[in-house]
Formats: sequence, structure tokens, C-alpha cells
Amino acid sequence: AQRVTQPEKLLSVFKGAPVELKCNYSYSGSPELFWYVQYSRQRLQLLLRHISRESIKGFTADLNKGETSFHLKKPFAQEEDSAMYYCALSSGNTPLVFGKGTRLSVIA
Amino acid sequence: SAVISQKPSRDICQRGTSLTIQCQVDSQVTMMFWYRQQPGQSLTLIATANQGSEATYESGFVIDKFPISRPNLTFSTLTVSNMSPEDSSIYLCSARKGGGAHEQFFGPGTRLTVL
Repeated sequence: AQRVTQPEKLLSVFKGAPVELKCNYSYSGSPELFWYVQYSRQRLQLLLRHISRESIKGFTADLNKGETSFHLKKPFAQEEDSAMYYCALSSGNTPLVFGKGTRLSVIA
Repeated sequence: SAVISQKPSRDICQRGTSLTIQCQVDSQVTMMFWYRQQPGQSLTLIATANQGSEATYESGFVIDKFPISRPNLTFSTLTVSNMSPEDSSIYLCSARKGGGAHEQFFGPGTRLTVL
């Protein structure tokens, strides 16, 4: 069964500090991993996907198959990064399975 | 990309009644899904809406409670039947273009409160 675990419900960091949002997954095949973000009063939107290997808004995430992790990182947090972040997994044509989400709060 | 709209955006309903939520996509999509997001919780998949056939429901969700229609490649409805306060939640429509793309787009959600 597919499962996504985000161990932190809430993460508070100071502006300018590094951020790491943890995500671990369980799936026996080759999954596709995503990070979605939901800003206050906005809809859920894609932040980045592992196959793109790109940096969006300063965020990066590397898929580590050995550790089955897909942690989201940013070297210097900004206040506008405060939002709810969801890690999600898909394989083949299966719909996305989401983790419970981590609320990031960036303190000025 | 795909832009998804949902109607209504919110509603307050009485116990025992039913509500139908509409989902419209601005372009043809291969797959459409319905999720539920209860207060403070993550997104839980209710079902995959299949065009021209019955929806595929996840464990814990049944057709009698959540009937779904998908008459074409851009539109779907979810009905929440015989509602109880436990059905109070945000209901989200999602779509995927297909062709190997696994990215899913999401609607703004329908906030349902059952009294």
C-alpha cells in the first residue's frame, strides 16, 4: 500500500533560517513524488515534483530511494513561505496519496 | 494546466438532506477525482470519477452515500446524501490531464457544514 508520512504537524522558523520539511513514503515500485502548497485562503497548488529536479521559489527536494524520503528544503525562509505543505505520491494512473501536511510558520 | 471551478463554494445544510457539488474543468482531462478534507486533516480520496461508467470508490466510501456522475471529459458531480454533522468538511475536485502527466490540479473546494 502507498503511504506518505510527514512527521511534523507544525514547523516554526525565523525569517532567514533554513527550512526542511520532512516526507517519507512507502511504496514498493517507482513512485512519483510531489510537494503541494496551500497558502491562506487559496487552493492547493503544485510546488514541485521530483522528476523536474527544479527549484521553485527557492525550494528544492531530492528523492532518496534508499531512505524513501523526499524532504523539502529552502536555505533562507521568507515570511511569504508560511503555508500548509503536503507531500504526495502517485504511481501509474493512481490518484495522489497525501501526507497529513506540515504547517510552516515563518517568524519575522 | 487546467483550471477547475466548483459550485457551490460553501453551503450550510440540514441533517438528512442531500447536496450536489458541481465540478467544471476548463479543458478536457483524462481523470477526475473527489477528495474530502476534514477540519485540520489531510486530503482523503473519496473516489475516481469515470466517464461513462460507475465511479471507483475508496475503502470507507460507498456509492449510496456519495453518488458521482461524470457525463463528459470536463464535468463531474458529487452528491453527499442523507447528510449528518460528520459530513461537515471541505470537498475538493481534482483532475489530471493524462498522457503520462501525474500532476493533479485542484478546485477551490466546497465547504459544507451540516447542522
